Amino acid sequence: EDKVVQSPLSLVVHEGDTVTLNCSYEVTNFRSLLWYKQEKKAPTFLFMLTSSGIEKKSGRLSSILDKKELFSILNITATQTGDSAVYLCAGNLSGTYKYIFGTGTRLKVLA
Amino acid sequence: GAGVSQTPSNKVTEKGKYVELRCDPISGHTALYWYRQSLGQGPEFLIYFQGTGAADDSGLPNDRFFAVRPEGSVSTLKIQRTERGDSAVYLCASSLSISGANVLTFGAGSRLTVL
Repeated sequence: EDKVVQSPLSLVVHEGDTVTLNCSYEVTNFRSLLWYKQEKKAPTFLFMLTSSGIEKKSGRLSSILDKKELFSILNITATQTGDSAVYLCAGNLSGTYKYIFGTGTRLKVLA
Repeated sequence: GAGVSQTPSNKVTEKGKYVELRCDPISGHTALYWYRQSLGQGPEFLIYFQGTGAADDSGLPNDRFFAVRPEGSVSTLKIQRTERGDSAVYLCASSLSISGANVLTFGAGSRLTVL
């Protein structure tokens, strides 16, 4: 059965810390992986990863995919209170448009 | 529209009642998805449409759940004989139908509470 597992489930850090969120997947005929940030309501898109070893970067956030070991990480440097949210990753099956989501990592950044 | 619009934003109903949740996707997006998110969980896939047809409805939990998209744009998720376990946030997302990997754009969700 296709599944996506995220760790840790929750994390509390102080402003300025660096965090690494993990996402491992077992998805049949994997094609791509998405990262989202969810605050109150709608998940908002962060990154799409399709190729191993190529880092995607946006400001203080970066992400990379390892297709051999079947995982991805999301890094956030110099965390701010506004980074507090649930971070979701989702794996996509090749040949379909169906994404399987993990449970998410709840990040809380303290001032 | 500019984003994915979902109505109602909140719905409270009694056990056994029928509910409809509406999703208006981004204009031009041919793929439309429904997910269900329970408290503390990630979004759970229900169904997705490519145009008017349901391309994959494998996530619908049982035959009380049904979704339509008659003109390839707006979609309605219908739940019959609601149960307390149906309480959740129902998220809709849309994406361009492209040959490569596609990004889902989510709406704000419809929070359903079954008393």
